[in-house]
Amino acid sequence: NAGVTQTPKFQVLKTGQSMTLQCAQDMNHNSMYWYRQDPGMGLRLIYYSASEGTTDKGEVPNGYNVSRLNKREFSLRLESAAPSQTSVYFCASSEDKVNTEAFFGQGTRLTVV
Amino acid sequence: DAKTTQPNSMESNEEEPVHLPCNHSTISGTDYIHWYRQLPSQGPEYVIHGLTSNVNNRMASLAIAEDRKSSTLILHRATLRDAAVYYCILRDLGAGSYQLTFGKGTKLSVIP
Repeated sequence: NAGVTQTPKFQVLKTGQSMTLQCAQDMNHNSMYWYRQDPGMGLRLIYYSASEGTTDKGEVPNGYNVSRLNKREFSLRLESAAPSQTSVYFCASSEDKVNTEAFFGQGTRLTVV
Repeated sequence: DAKTTQPNSMESNEEEPVHLPCNHSTISGTDYIHWYRQLPSQGPEYVIHGLTSNVNNRMASLAIAEDRKSSTLILHRATLRDAAVYYCILRDLGAGSYQLTFGKGTKLSVIP
């Protein structure tokens, strides 16, 4: 059972380049999330998707776009990367309940130079 | 969003019990108390959750105060693998999302 799979695991970008972080889950969850984690900090929500075809902004959405391609996949796009977007990015998914657990991917470590 | 307060760091000796406290004085009646932990270089993983009653699972126990304004995560015998950052999170259906709002958590060090 794969759970939540993120690709790539590591990426180095030059300022101004674009890239898409991929996330897929195999648990048939409606809700999916993208977080970023800066050194010494907790995770901050970038965007979330409550169901296929819907997305909403989280706490720190500026500089990012997302696509909920289907129920399994939720991608995060950086159109013009900036050094401030150097971070570890985590994708997560959960059922539509507050009394169940969320599952996280292993993260993508992104460096923008 | 209701917020939680945790100590920045704690230490424990290996094979001894660990009590990780969390204050959530503004908790609402529908907030579930969740605990997650994050091992070094990994994504967060679920530990336990509860609403009003104390809860036990294979990983830990959760003790919830009667007024629900605080809770304690109990690791019965700390191992080196339990060294991680532990996050106490209140989860509710805020703004139509089941998101988890993370604070800085408590960094637990386990001494051999």
